[in-house]
Amino acid sequence: GEDVEQSLFLSVREGDSSVINCTYTDSSSTYLYWYKQEPGAGLQLLTYIFSNMDMKQDQRLTVLLNKKDKHLSLRIADTQTGDSAIYFCAEKDRRTYKYIFGTGTRLKVLA
Amino acid sequence: GAGVSQSPSNKVTEKGKDVELRCDPISGHTALYWYRQSLGQGLEFLIYFQGNSAPDKSGLPSDRFSAERTGGSVSTLTIQRTQQEDSAVYLCASSSEASERTEAFFGQGTRLTVV
Repeated sequence: GEDVEQSLFLSVREGDSSVINCTYTDSSSTYLYWYKQEPGAGLQLLTYIFSNMDMKQDQRLTVLLNKKDKHLSLRIADTQTGDSAIYFCAEKDRRTYKYIFGTGTRLKVLA
Repeated sequence: GAGVSQSPSNKVTEKGKDVELRCDPISGHTALYWYRQSLGQGLEFLIYFQGNSAPDKSGLPSDRFSAERTGGSVSTLTIQRTQQEDSAVYLCASSSEASERTEAFFGQGTRLTVV
């Protein structure tokens, strides 16, 4: 079945890079997503990557995709305290278009 | 509307009572999702509505949970005979069409506390 896995916690110092990892099972997914949830709020789309790409860069964010290993990562350069949040990776079932979310990684940025 | 709206934002109920949680999706969005997020936990899928198709109810944890979507728009999640383990934030999301590309827009959630 479909399953998306992430590590639960990550702690980094302000100014360092953060790397959040995700593994997924549905190799036919065309798009893979990263969502961010700030405290007390709903989720917001952060970025996405099309499956025929290996990398996508958007300002401080870099998404890497390894289709062979079904591994997705989100790198945040120069991490700031405002980046503290829960980050969810997600894929969509190609038949039903239902989102499958990972468990979320709680990023804590230390000043 | 401007975004996905959920009401109430907070609900405290006594164990054994029934509760109804409401979600107003973005106008025109055909897909609607309900998720549950317990304290410190990830998202637990509950139910998915897509247009006129039969809803995917595979995530509902027990028969005390039900949801409906009237007129392809507003959705209500009902929890009967609430238990303390039902305490969580219930999140609703909608997206514009059935495709792989579209983004899901989330509401702020309803925080349910069963005492």
